[in-house]
Amino acid sequence: DTAVSQTPKYLVTQMGNDKSIKCEQNLGHDTMYWYKQDSKKFLKIMFSYNNKELIINETVPNRFSPKSPDKAHLNLHINSLELGDSAVYFCASSQGREQFFGPGTRLTVL
Amino acid sequence: TQLLEQSPQFLSIQEGENLTVYCNSSSVFSSLQWYRQEPGEGPVLLVTVVTGGEVKKLKRLTFQFGDARKDSSLHITAAQPGDTGLYLCARANFGNEKLTFGTGTRLTIIP
Repeated sequence: DTAVSQTPKYLVTQMGNDKSIKCEQNLGHDTMYWYKQDSKKFLKIMFSYNNKELIINETVPNRFSPKSPDKAHLNLHINSLELGDSAVYFCASSQGREQFFGPGTRLTVL
Repeated sequence: TQLLEQSPQFLSIQEGENLTVYCNSSSVFSSLQWYRQEPGEGPVLLVTVVTGGEVKKLKRLTFQFGDARKDSSLHITAAQPGDTGLYLCARANFGNEKLTFGTGTRLTIIP
């Protein structure tokens, strides 16, 4: 059973398009996150939700909008994609200190 | 943003050798975690250290938290190809569970 799943695994799109990445966790955790990992493998938090409520919003362009329909899901919508958005995006969940990561979505903006 | 520096950035050694990687910060943090990330996958937690001076062992891996809680090390004994991966340290800040990740060490073990 997959604990944290993301779709799609790969996403290739043109600049200016709008795209969404979906995340689901079946661990019963209250807190979910979105991270961005750049080409140098630096992993940086973008957002955190606790029980559908936004609790962390790092300095992320407002083209990125997270949405949590329920505490098991945290989706990421990106408007007007730019070349610099190309990265691997990871969803994670936690209940306490340990974070469980999804397999990542590799986004390539052409 | 307080940076969490890891060293070395890249390390390539022969199977059977020992190695140590480091994680350093200029500020004190409440706890520190080590994760390993394999290609095409998300990071997986290896250990959490909380107390200054704490040492934890996970088979051939030994983790140490500095006395002043500003640094940590990961020592691997008799490295194996399965140890290959990106090792990330992450610190939690006092009062919340937000993690700040380090710059990473990419480890390659050559058979």
